[in-house]
Amino acid sequence: GAVVSQHPSWVICKSGTSVKIECRSLDFQATTMFWYRQFPKKSLMLMATSNEGSKATYEQGVEKDKFLINHASLTLSTLTVTSAHPEDSSFYICSARDQRLAGVLRETQYFGPGTRLLVL
Amino acid sequence: DAKTTQPTSMDCAEGRAANLPCNHSTISGNEYVYWYRQIHSQGPQYIIHGLKNNETNEMASLIITEDRKSSTLILPHATLRDTAVYYCIVHYNQGGKLIFGQGTELSVKP
Repeated sequence: GAVVSQHPSWVICKSGTSVKIECRSLDFQATTMFWYRQFPKKSLMLMATSNEGSKATYEQGVEKDKFLINHASLTLSTLTVTSAHPEDSSFYICSARDQRLAGVLRETQYFGPGTRLLVL
Repeated sequence: DAKTTQPTSMDCAEGRAANLPCNHSTISGNEYVYWYRQIHSQGPQYIIHGLKNNETNEMASLIITEDRKSSTLILPHATLRDTAVYYCIVHYNQGGKLIFGQGTELSVKP
């Protein structure tokens, strides 16, 4: 199956700094990528939908100025956590949708391995 | 997307079949049933999906009831590596976001 990578796999930062997380589709082009956040023992919570060449669509309750999303190319979306605070510590996961497979009975969305963020 | 209901946790003996149920009574005609699983500290992994017919692949089988209001994921010979949280999601295959519920935490025991 298709591969989605994330970088870094884990990051520790000081409170008040900004952290950028990259999500790449390695062998397909993804016009749409999704960003999720997961707290310990909880399910994945969708944060936003990232569309190549346009503004991201944020889920209700997610601050767009806090979590900046850029989808500048068909293989890369970035999530920047601005002025991070300890409560932003979480597991951030992206997924990428392979548009070529839409409409056929095959997997269409692939997930990255996740990025663990710890804000001190 | 329609909501799903799954048991919080299940146990299964290694080598036996694991049958994971999911209720999706409000599913609409063009929504598919998807199953993903998440092993601890990893990203979700796609397992299988279907519309109304039963489906089988190298990982699992998906049995969907005739009225499509429920389904069962079957892992025919569970191994310790199948210990994970299993998520049942109903979703339009044409795209859009996957909304995860709480899933079923499957523990495969020796």
